[in-house]
Amino acid sequence: NAGVTQTPKFRILKIGQSMTLQCTQDMNHNYMYWYRQDPGMGLKLIYYSVGAGITDKGEVPNGYNVSRSTTEDFPLRLELAAPSQTSVYFCASYRGEYSNQPQHFGDGTRLSIL
Amino acid sequence: AQSVTQPDIHITVSEGASLELRCNYSYGATPYLFWYVQSPGQGLQLLLKYFSGDTLVQGIKGFEAEFKRSQSSFNLRKPSVHWSDAAEYFCAVGGNRGSTLGRLYFGRGTQLTVWP
Repeated sequence: NAGVTQTPKFRILKIGQSMTLQCTQDMNHNYMYWYRQDPGMGLKLIYYSVGAGITDKGEVPNGYNVSRSTTEDFPLRLELAAPSQTSVYFCASYRGEYSNQPQHFGDGTRLSIL
Repeated sequence: AQSVTQPDIHITVSEGASLELRCNYSYGATPYLFWYVQSPGQGLQLLLKYFSGDTLVQGIKGFEAEFKRSQSSFNLRKPSVHWSDAAEYFCAVGGNRGSTLGRLYFGRGTQLTVWP
């Protein structure tokens, strides 16, 4: 049972490059989330999705895009990488309504923009 | 609006001493509450959670936390700290209704250092 899988684990980008952070879950969870973690700031929500085809902005969406074409996958896209996007990115999933189970987190993607 | 405050950025304790990490939250109803731990370069590990019922919850690694509605607090405790407990600890509030359902709101974290 893999849970939430994020790829890649590490990546270095140059300013202006683009890339997609992959996230997939095998628990058939409806809800999925992308967070970023910066030192001393905790985790901030970037985007979330409550089901295939439905996405919405979180607290810090600028500079990112997402899509949710399947229940399993929730990729995060950086179109024009900027140094301010250097961070650790976590994907999470949640079963949804009436569930008292916590979110399941991936192991994170450590991204540096130089 | 939902928010979480962890007043202590950094705490240092001696091995074997007791520990209490503070967490205060703001939420419009009875929240779901969580404590996570993160070791350097690692992901988040869930220590314990509160959804309802008994306000004293037990978690992994000998940790416990108490939900106090009157104080909007969910402090984490451990009676005797081990050197391996050195890590960063995050308190989080989970949305349990409407548009906040499933969302987590994190505090800024408390870094724990353990002296031998």
